[in-house]
Amino acid sequence: QSALTQPASVSGSPGQSITISCSGTTSDIGAYNYVSWYRQHPGKAPKLMIYDVNNRPSGISDRFSGSKSGNTAALTISGLQAEDEADYYCSSYTTSRTVVFGGGTKLTVL
Amino acid sequence: QVQLQESGPGLVKPSETLSLTCTVSGTSINSYYWSWIRQPPGKGLEWIGYIYYSGSTIYNPSLKSRVTISVETSRKQFSLKVSSVTAADTAIYFCARLLRLGDAFDIWGQGTMVTVSS
Repeated sequence: QSALTQPASVSGSPGQSITISCSGTTSDIGAYNYVSWYRQHPGKAPKLMIYDVNNRPSGISDRFSGSKSGNTAALTISGLQAEDEADYYCSSYTTSRTVVFGGGTKLTVL
Repeated sequence: QVQLQESGPGLVKPSETLSLTCTVSGTSINSYYWSWIRQPPGKGLEWIGYIYYSGSTIYNPSLKSRVTISVETSRKQFSLKVSSVTAADTAIYFCARLLRLGDAFDIWGQGTMVTVSS
């Protein structure tokens, strides 16, 4: 199974909105609504931010939202804050009952 | 508060077997899926596999021939073994929980660094 494709880096200024894309295939993103997004600060474990494409776990700010169209998913962060600077990973369930992650995107808040 | 804690040797010799354990606290180990995920230094996440509390497993095809995940419900632990390790297996190893197949990893351990070196 191949990793999902994410941009290596994105950046934005405080208060702005950014979108991180995650491209897959008909065997993963395109097959189910089982896309999730994780935020990882340096030296820390990943933290779940979005599950099932567009659902937020309890305690996650509504500045985070997810979407999907065909084989591509996206994470949008609005009202960028300094604490949002981190690595972001998408993941998807696959038709083989496995899990595949994206390569990760480094978000820089300018 | 649900917590996961990885434990095991931080250094493993090439060609030997890497063994890690994840201890679950604050929740039952039953009725959930439990997974291992790793992250080589400076690189992205790689899913290794998961196990249901009943013992059924699913592995990453790229690692399947060398990986075994097992569960010991009475101790509220699940374990990972990776055989014939090389330097490419050097990584931070995380354990994590899923509520169901297809679900997201909602709880993660802090991770443990394993270095493969002679």
